[in-house]
Amino acid sequence: QKEVEQNSGPLSVPEGAIASLNCTYSDRGSQSFFWYRQYSGKSPELIMFIYSNGDKEDGRFTAQLNKASQYVSLLIRDSQPSDSATYLCAVLMDTGRRALTFGSGTRLQVQP
Amino acid sequence: NAGVMQNPRHLVRRRGQEARLRCSPMKGHSHVYWYRQLPEEGLKFMVYLQKENIIDESGMPKERFSAEFPKEGPSILRIQQVVRGDSAAYFCASSPSMQGHTGELFFGEGSRLTVL
Repeated sequence: QKEVEQNSGPLSVPEGAIASLNCTYSDRGSQSFFWYRQYSGKSPELIMFIYSNGDKEDGRFTAQLNKASQYVSLLIRDSQPSDSATYLCAVLMDTGRRALTFGSGTRLQVQP
Repeated sequence: NAGVMQNPRHLVRRRGQEARLRCSPMKGHSHVYWYRQLPEEGLKFMVYLQKENIIDESGMPKERFSAEFPKEGPSILRIQQVVRGDSAAYFCASSPSMQGHTGELFFGEGSRLTVL
């Protein structure tokens, strides 16, 4: 089992729709969760982080965390073509590794 | 305020040669992380360093790879006797404190290594 698992996609949504990106993780003791966006050929940039169970909203983005199910998601409302990118889920695990563990990313395509 | 600076941006090496990748963290940051990204894959952790100390190298291959972050100058990731499988993008990230406190990593633009 991968430590952080994401569906590679591509996930294709029409412009204006809600895009839902999902991530599961293996370490039950993980405490901190992050979503990064990476455009092709570019470096990752942080979109949101979440520590507590529930929802966290920032503009068009909502992160959702369910520690019991070891599941974190990112919702993008009113999707725009400029949101087309790869979204990386990252977890700070409680395994002694003092660095973020990344999933392989989900490629999102927003169709105009 | 300059971001994380990596150089070279692109590097071509023949099998058996050495590759040296450099990373200067953001001003005021003392923590440096190296990640490797293969095409169409996520970021794989390699090593976490503070000035003059390797904190966590659990993701670093045991042979041919080494990293340092000297008191003065940039962090360096060194790959000896490169093989074609080393072809990848190598990203450096920095943070001002322990990840557990802030979480955010600031990434450089990456160094893309091609081994012929």
